[in-house]
Amino acid sequence: DQQVKQNSPSLSVQEGRISILNCDYTNSMFDYFLWYKKYPAEGPTFLISISSIKDKNEDGRFTVFLNKSAKHLSLHIVPSQPGDSAVYFCAAMTRGANNLFFGTGTRLTVIP
Amino acid sequence: GAGVSQSPSNKVTEKGKDVELRCDPISGHTALYWYRQSLGQGLEFLIYFQGNSAPDKSGLPSDRFSAERTGGSVSTLTIQRTQQEDSAVYLCASSTRGMKGSPLHFGNGTRLTVT
Repeated sequence: DQQVKQNSPSLSVQEGRISILNCDYTNSMFDYFLWYKKYPAEGPTFLISISSIKDKNEDGRFTVFLNKSAKHLSLHIVPSQPGDSAVYFCAAMTRGANNLFFGTGTRLTVIP
Repeated sequence: GAGVSQSPSNKVTEKGKDVELRCDPISGHTALYWYRQSLGQGLEFLIYFQGNSAPDKSGLPSDRFSAERTGGSVSTLTIQRTQQEDSAVYLCASSTRGMKGSPLHFGNGTRLTVT
């Protein structure tokens, strides 16, 4: 049972444009959400997070939006750079839990 | 400083054999996690260690899987009588405390192939 879903396995964007990666979840108890970035042959690295008490969190070129009523979050990267090309994983958790639930990832390709 | 180190980076084994995967967390990190990623799947939680507390083993898929953490540092994930469906990338992660306190720092993983 996939509680965190990333329905787009891949996305291609021109350098300088905005990349929008989407994520949906089914568990209304999730209250903390994270995005991880993964390069080939490396482990995922933390990118940005958001608590359920917020609807937006921004860090430089990266912004995460949370729509609790729709159980949807998105990661915006602007402007996109070729070095952003990687697989992006959305993850979610519930308060007090030890487990992060991950989506299946979206492969972003930024075309120079 | 050094990150999370996993060994071996690749392991090919025959069905039915036992394997051991090793994880060296970041020094001072009290929390340690094992995840695995099968082809086309997201990361799947396996087990969690926090300090001297009893581990959370709720994600282990069968009793062929076990893990230990010695001295609150190095961890070993053991898979007995490996099956082809065990083929995956096994990722170890550590953090200074619970997940919300600090994000997970992942190692580069061990790619296990069971033939």
